Amino acid sequence: GESVGLHLPTLSVQEGDNSIINCAYSNSASDYFIWYKQESGKGPQFIIDIRSNMDKRQGQRVTVLLNKTVKHLSLQIAATQPGDSAVYFCAEKRNAGKSTFGDGTTLTVKP
Amino acid sequence: KAGVTQTPRYLIKTRGQQVTLSCSPISGHRSVSWYQQTPGQGLQFLFEYFSETQRNKGNFPGRFSGRQFSNSRSEMNVSTLELGDSALYLCASSSQGAFGTDTQYFGPGTRLTVL
Repeated sequence: GESVGLHLPTLSVQEGDNSIINCAYSNSASDYFIWYKQESGKGPQFIIDIRSNMDKRQGQRVTVLLNKTVKHLSLQIAATQPGDSAVYFCAEKRNAGKSTFGDGTTLTVKP
Repeated sequence: KAGVTQTPRYLIKTRGQQVTLSCSPISGHRSVSWYQQTPGQGLQFLFEYFSETQRNKGNFPGRFSGRQFSNSRSEMNVSTLELGDSALYLCASSSQGAFGTDTQYFGPGTRLTVL
């Protein structure tokens, strides 16, 4: 079946550095991909998404790259801050309301 | 605009009991999805309701059921609780119906503990 997986379960970076969180997926029919951030005690929060016909999309301090050839996407966070510490999920979506989530990468930002 | 709300936030039940969780979506959103989140399995899709009809369903046993009301509020019911049902249950709402890049907004979740 379809799967979405993250490469590393944990990532530790120094405050001010850039962070890169990676994700691999198996379903080439996915319409688009989403990154979520989940802080302790809260539900996942939408960060940014990208359609399958795009390679790159930028937001505020975040960039998502999609490589359909190798079925890989990444989330880049510029100038990582302590408030960025959270669990990050990638998800693929085909139908409304049905998303497949990866397991999550825990990002820890060291001061 | 108020976000997605879920009640209760915490719940403790014993095996064999049943439980009902409630979700109020963002005003104007007609789609409500439910997810189970556990440390070992991550986020697992339970089902999605749109305009009071179940439109998508995940791979969970029939003990898990749900419904949606005309005001888009949704409830999820788990009968004959098992220890493995202990999890964070998340509700997400979105505005668009069928296909499209509708963003899902999550509630804070209900933490269910089964003893």
